[in-house]
Amino acid sequence: DTEVTQTPKHLVMGMTNKKSLKCEQHMGHRAMYWYKQKAKKPPELMFVYSYEKLSINESVPSRFSPECPNSSLLNLHLHALQPEDSALYLCASSQDLGTGANYGYTFGSGTRLTVV
Amino acid sequence: GDSVTQMEGPVTLSEEAFLTINCTYTATGYPSLFWYVQYPGEGLQLLLKATKADDKGSNKGFEATYRKETTSFHLEKGSVQVSDSAVYFCALRALSGNTPLVFGKGTRLSVIA
Repeated sequence: DTEVTQTPKHLVMGMTNKKSLKCEQHMGHRAMYWYKQKAKKPPELMFVYSYEKLSINESVPSRFSPECPNSSLLNLHLHALQPEDSALYLCASSQDLGTGANYGYTFGSGTRLTVV
Repeated sequence: GDSVTQMEGPVTLSEEAFLTINCTYTATGYPSLFWYVQYPGEGLQLLLKATKADDKGSNKGFEATYRKETTSFHLEKGSVQVSDSAVYFCALRALSGNTPLVFGKGTRLSVIA
């Protein structure tokens, strides 16, 4: 299995809703990432988990809350989002954060989030 | 810090034309270099990579050579197809430290029949 699976593919939520994005990989990768991508822009790094521990938080607002329940799963909990948070949210994984630099990341297809 | 600079797009080519997308980088040490492609409505896919100087990455007719002397990793394809229309991102990953992938701004390619 060489894929990163993200669910749901599309999500529309109100500003008072609570929702979660899910990401799963079974490649034995020990680093997992959340990115946010706005239209016509490169992905922006949000969070990095390494060996199930939060390693990097790129000053993301607290209305985004990541969780890594085990080595295969990564969640992003959403609460009280704003319309400007509408974007494509991408999950990625890599063999390792440090020693696996020769390897690229494997990306999921993303969740297209619309906040209304 | 580490950074990647890509040529501004969009790039519009006719089918079977030659493609070059320029990419230069700034990094301490010798990073690994990557090209990712993003087709409309999809996530990013790794297109090719090179991990040391003079390495040539290739895939699906695309090629890029890691040039340390010019700190470049230009993407080329001899004959583009309509199906190559996508956004292409150059990226680097430092070998030292726990540093994530650094992306360029992306170059949108449109190929017309």
